[in-house]
Amino acid sequence: AQSVAQPEDQVNVAEGNPLTVKCTYSVSGNPYLFWYVQYPNRGLQFLLKYITGDNLVKGSYGFEAEFNKSQTSFHLKKPSALVSDSALYFCAVRDGWSNYQLIWGAGTKLIIKP
Amino acid sequence: DAGVTQSPTHLIKTRGQQVTLRCSPKSGHDTVSWYQQALGQGPQFIFQYYEEEERQRGNFPDRFSGHQFPNYSSELNVNALLLGDSALYLCASSLVQGVFVGYTFGSGTRLTVV
Repeated sequence: AQSVAQPEDQVNVAEGNPLTVKCTYSVSGNPYLFWYVQYPNRGLQFLLKYITGDNLVKGSYGFEAEFNKSQTSFHLKKPSALVSDSALYFCAVRDGWSNYQLIWGAGTKLIIKP
Repeated sequence: DAGVTQSPTHLIKTRGQQVTLRCSPKSGHDTVSWYQQALGQGPQFIFQYYEEEERQRGNFPDRFSGHQFPNYSSELNVNALLLGDSALYLCASSLVQGVFVGYTFGSGTRLTVV
């Protein structure tokens, strides 16, 4: 069965430090992987995606993620956190080209402290 | 360039009533997907519409139905509302033809069933 796991409900990071938000997935086909961010009472904003190609994907606002096929992971990273990065982060996967739905993780709340 | 537009932003309905939510996709997009996001959870796929037909459906009862119009806009209808239908309903648009660029989400409609 398709699934996405975000093992941390909350991640706390000091401003200026690097941050990592973890995501692992399980699909039967080739994964299409996404990271989205959600601010309170708002919709989902796209950060980055992996479809094919280079395993290191660079996205919006200085975020990047690394696709690791052997570990079935797609962790979100940023070298230097900003207070404004504080939000809810979701990882999602699409199981191959012919399966149109996105399967989502439960979300990780990122708190950046000044 | 307008993004995805959803209306209304908030809605309060009584149990047993029917509701219609509306979505206008991003300019140039031809596919609309609907998701339900309960409080504190990741989104759940309801269905996707392409060429005015339901292309894929998630694990939702028949009380949830939809429509896509020739201008690619879409409606989500929910009949016989239950308290458990209270959630944020998100619309996402994408493009089938050409390079897959991912999904653009609207800000959602917050439905409260009382």
